[in-house]
Amino acid sequence: EIVLTQSPGTLSLSPGERATLSCWASQSVPSNYLIWYQQKPGQAPRLLIYGASSRAAGVPDRFSGSGSGTDFTLTISRLEPEDFAVYYCQWYGSSPPMFIFGPGTKVEIK
Amino acid sequence: QLQLQESGPGLVKPSEALSLTCTVSGGSLMSSNYYWGWIRQPPGKGLEWIGGIYYTGITYYNPSLKSRVTISVDTSKIQFSLRLSSVTAADTAVYYCTRLNRVTFVGTADYWGRGTLVTVSS
Repeated sequence: EIVLTQSPGTLSLSPGERATLSCWASQSVPSNYLIWYQQKPGQAPRLLIYGASSRAAGVPDRFSGSGSGTDFTLTISRLEPEDFAVYYCQWYGSSPPMFIFGPGTKVEIK
Repeated sequence: QLQLQESGPGLVKPSEALSLTCTVSGGSLMSSNYYWGWIRQPPGKGLEWIGGIYYTGITYYNPSLKSRVTISVDTSKIQFSLRLSSVTAADTAVYYCTRLNRVTFVGTADYWGRGTLVTVSS
């Protein structure tokens, strides 16, 4: 079974800074099935990135995803106040359908 | 605009069954492009996929919960439901219903309900 690990657990940054979040898979996964979500307190997660690097509708271009194999990255180029949240990576297994989430990275205001 | 809304008891006793319903508005359940699923989140913790169902009734469950989970669909009411049996305190969580996309944004939960907190306590 694939396990996703995210690093760091918490990232303390100031608005305007660059955030780099990592997601590692325990075995190589197709990049088209690697997804990122953003979750703010008291809200449902919001789809940010699918296929490792494609932004979902309405997602600002300061968010970008990259990676392949076992190593994936979510980058926020310049943090805005509304970007402070928890970010989860997720892998989709297609046969049979299976959704596995990483433990999340909290991006907090320094 | 598609909307999903969870409903059901907020408090369930240990060893009993948890039952939730998701009502979908602004769209149909009847597409092979999507399936409809449940994801939960214990307080202060991460996300866990519970399972999903096609409008045809075909289901897929998280192996770790499979023995206790039943997901069903009622296309006439545009609803799908979750039943989790023999609950314990570890099942206390916010339960989200979601649309799971298998075609355009493959493997994503692209629509979510607002979530409902279910507490397991006597």
